[in-house]
Amino acid sequence: GNSVTQMEGPVTLSEEAFLTINCTYTATGYPSLFWYVQYPGEGLQLLLKATKADDKGSNKGFEATYRKETTSFHLEKGSVQVSDSAVYFCALSGVKGTYKYIFGTGTRLKVLA
Amino acid sequence: DGGITQSPKYLFRKEGQNVTLSCEQNLNHDAMYWYRQDPGQGLRLIYYSQIVNDFQKGDIAEGYSVSREKKESFPLTVTSAQKNPTAFYLCASSIRWQGQETQYFGPGTRLLVL
Repeated sequence: GNSVTQMEGPVTLSEEAFLTINCTYTATGYPSLFWYVQYPGEGLQLLLKATKADDKGSNKGFEATYRKETTSFHLEKGSVQVSDSAVYFCALSGVKGTYKYIFGTGTRLKVLA
Repeated sequence: DGGITQSPKYLFRKEGQNVTLSCEQNLNHDAMYWYRQDPGQGLRLIYYSQIVNDFQKGDIAEGYSVSREKKESFPLTVTSAQKNPTAFYLCASSIRWQGQETQYFGPGTRLLVL
């Protein structure tokens, strides 16, 4: 079936370190891919998205490239800040002609000063 | 400002009581969604509505009910049949363009059982 798999957390980094959070997916057709961020006690905020193969989504220093050959959409940031500490969710939609989202389980990021 | 509002931020339910969570959007989005989030877990779809006066069950609809009488409003009722209602509830709405959809989320309501 269709699914999204994220790396287990928490991911703990020092400030200014390089971040990678892995996301792979299983889906038929050509889904859209998303990264959302959730700060403690808040809703999800759209971080970035990509709608077709080789597209790169970017926002606030975060980037992710839609890799159809490896069915991946890894999130990266060159230099993390303490304020980036949050839970990050990978998601896909547009499978089998439906608009329903499929979410990963989330990856908690902790950035230490 | 355009956005999605959810109220209340915290809600307490007594045994046997039905409670209703509010979700309002002024983004003119057609589709709206309700998700449940449990600690350390992802999101599970409760109900969704693609158009006014129409809605469909999601993956965990038992013990919940919804209505969609207005485009901007999609309230969720947690009934007494939902035996484990303690969770964080998220409402979302979406825009569709050129066959693609993007969902935007409200700030959430935390439901606790007394």
